[in-house]
Amino acid sequence: GQNIDQPTEMTATEGAIVQINCTYQTSGFNGLFWYQQHAGEAPTFLSYNVLDGLEEKGRFSSFLSRSKGYSYLLLKELQMKDSASYLCAVRAYTGTASKLTFGTGTRLQVTL
Amino acid sequence: DARVTQTPRDKVTEMGQEVTMRCQPILGHNTVFWYRQTMMQGLELLAYFRNRAPLDDSGMPKDRFSAEMPDATLATLKIQPSEPRDSAVYFCASGSRQSLAGDLYNEQFFGPGTRLTVL
Repeated sequence: GQNIDQPTEMTATEGAIVQINCTYQTSGFNGLFWYQQHAGEAPTFLSYNVLDGLEEKGRFSSFLSRSKGYSYLLLKELQMKDSASYLCAVRAYTGTASKLTFGTGTRLQVTL
Repeated sequence: DARVTQTPRDKVTEMGQEVTMRCQPILGHNTVFWYRQTMMQGLELLAYFRNRAPLDDSGMPKDRFSAEMPDATLATLKIQPSEPRDSAVYFCASGSRQSLAGDLYNEQFFGPGTRLTVL
């Protein structure tokens, strides 16, 4: 099976930087995704990492260390609209197909 | 712009009734996923299809749930009979193959979801 851990809630100030961590334990690891989900809406894709290191996309960056089973999502220059849940999802190869398993998400509240 | 559509958006039904949820994937996407989201369990993969063939439905209770893709423009998820514990938001997503560092992955685009309440 798979085990994915991320903090339940975080609070940060507008304009600041916040780092959301995700640790995982899985066999057949085949990539890690980050999704953003605003309340009452569908998740939207933010980033994908398959190799160790940092992937940068505008204000958002995602880091992966496969040996440590660890990833983080870094959000810079926080805006109020960044208040949302951030879902870490691990893809693992099951032997017949790749399967995506989501963490329960980190609810980020951006304050003035 | 291209979006995944789902119908109905909201469904309230009584225990024991059949529920059918429909999804129209983005044209050209050959991978379709069904997820269920609850406060307690988060987002769970129920089933997914590639080129209309089921690849994995291990997350789906087989006795009451069934998922099909009668054609490339329609995916269905059926619950019969429905139970109160099935109350959740059901998301459909379709996938577009992307490449990163020589690796292929599906960038999944989610539909707006069907909020199901079983009384």
